[in-house]
Amino acid sequence: QVQLQESGPGLVKPSETLSLTCTVSDYSITNDYYWGWIRQPPGKGLEWIGSILHNGHTYYNPSLKSRVTISLDTSKNQFSLKLTSVTAADTALYHCVRDASSAPADYWGQGTLVTVSS
Amino acid sequence: QAGLTQPPSVSKDLRQTATLTCAGNSNNVGYRGAAWLQRHQGHPPKLLSYRNNNRPSGVSERFSASRSGNTASLTITGLQPEDEADYYCSAWDRGLNAWVFGGGTKLTVL
Repeated sequence: QVQLQESGPGLVKPSETLSLTCTVSDYSITNDYYWGWIRQPPGKGLEWIGSILHNGHTYYNPSLKSRVTISLDTSKNQFSLKLTSVTAADTALYHCVRDASSAPADYWGQGTLVTVSS
Repeated sequence: QAGLTQPPSVSKDLRQTATLTCAGNSNNVGYRGAAWLQRHQGHPPKLLSYRNNNRPSGVSERFSASRSGNTASLTITGLQPEDEADYYCSAWDRGLNAWVFGGGTKLTVL
């Protein structure tokens, strides 16, 4: 059973960079599958942020692409999200996921709430 | 921002059948079909089906998905109280090179 766990600050100031890490257990991220991030702002729907493959290939939501970087740390079986120049609109529950290619995610972390506020 | 269109809410009686819809276009739903996810408040979403009607292991047969043209549907038979949740559709958009989601449908079981 693949397990994912998000970690990172729950509060980020406007204009700063949001940084989250996802630790994957019981499955190597160097195997097949992309690994990604999906968020849900309070009271709104799901939004796909982007995904990364074990070889480093990434693809991002075009609406966020200029601000997003997803990277891998295979030695720790982790992957990370960086979102720059955040605003209140980036306040959301952030989930790390295994991107199943036939679906945006088949395994999900519990999610971590990130609030953008001064 | 929702790329697919779902009705905001659907209400059905216990033990009845609910059909949820998801409208897209030829670049997404009409291309490779849709996936469906269920979300109960306080829990991460659960994948119910992918590529129209492939169910992951452990998902009840009461959930079945289909597609007609650019519209995907999720049918839930024999509604149970635990089916009350938010349901999201998603599809790969070949024009955007991105996953897009619907805004979600809140299903109420009366």
